[in-house]
Amino acid sequence: DAKTTQPNSMESNEEEPVHLPCNHSTISGTDYIHWYRQLPSQGPEYVIHGLTSNVNNRMASLAIAEDRKSSTLILHRATLRDAAVYYCILRDYGGSQGNLIFGKGTKLSVKP
Amino acid sequence: ETGVTQSPTHLIKTRGQQVTLRCSSQSGHNTVSWYQQALGQGPQFIFQYYREEENGRGNFPPRFSGLQFPNYSSELNVNALELDDSALYLCASSSGVAAGEQYFGPGTRLTVT
Repeated sequence: DAKTTQPNSMESNEEEPVHLPCNHSTISGTDYIHWYRQLPSQGPEYVIHGLTSNVNNRMASLAIAEDRKSSTLILHRATLRDAAVYYCILRDYGGSQGNLIFGKGTKLSVKP
Repeated sequence: ETGVTQSPTHLIKTRGQQVTLRCSSQSGHNTVSWYQQALGQGPQFIFQYYREEENGRGNFPPRFSGLQFPNYSSELNVNALELDDSALYLCASSSGVAAGEQYFGPGTRLTVT
C-alpha cells in the first residue's frame, strides 16, 4: 500500500474550521483515501473516505486534489470533542485483504 | 444496534504466559480484524478473519493466533508473552472484506511484566 505523510501536530481554536493535510504522492488508481480519528483512550473511529471527487458527511468534508497526490480533511467548526489523532490511510480495494495501514497521524489540539 | 465490544478491558500477564483476548463484532458484520497499538504509535495490523477463515496476516510471529466463531465473534491468542507485547489490542468489525468502514472496539490494554 502507498504511504501517506501528515504533520505530527496541529492546533485549532474552538468553533473555527480546521484543514488537516495529507500527502500521498505514490497513490495508485485503485487506492481510496480514508480518514480515521482516535480520541483519547478510545479505538479509532471512521470519519470519511473517497476516491476522486470531494465528499461530505455529517462529520467532515474530504477535498481531494485533481492529481490525487494530496487531500485535506476539513472540520467545519472544531469543537473540544474533535481533539484527537487523525489518520490518513490509503486502501487498495483491488486486493483481497481489507486491512488498514496506519501511520502516526496528526494530533489535533483544540483550544477553547 | 450493539457496537464492537472487547474483553477484558485491562490485563496484566507475566513474560512467558499465554493470553486470550475476546471481541464481539457489530451485529451483521462477518469480518473481524485485529490490530496492535504500541504507545505513541498508530495501530499495526495483526490479521483478519472473514467467515471463520483467516484472510490476511501482518508481520507478526506465529505465536499470535486467532479464531472466528460462527456468530462472527473472535479471539486473539498470544503465546509465550514477551515484554514488547505490552500494547493496546484493538479489534474492528466490518460487513465484508471490502467494506469501506471498519468499526473499532475500545481495545484491551495488555501489560506484560
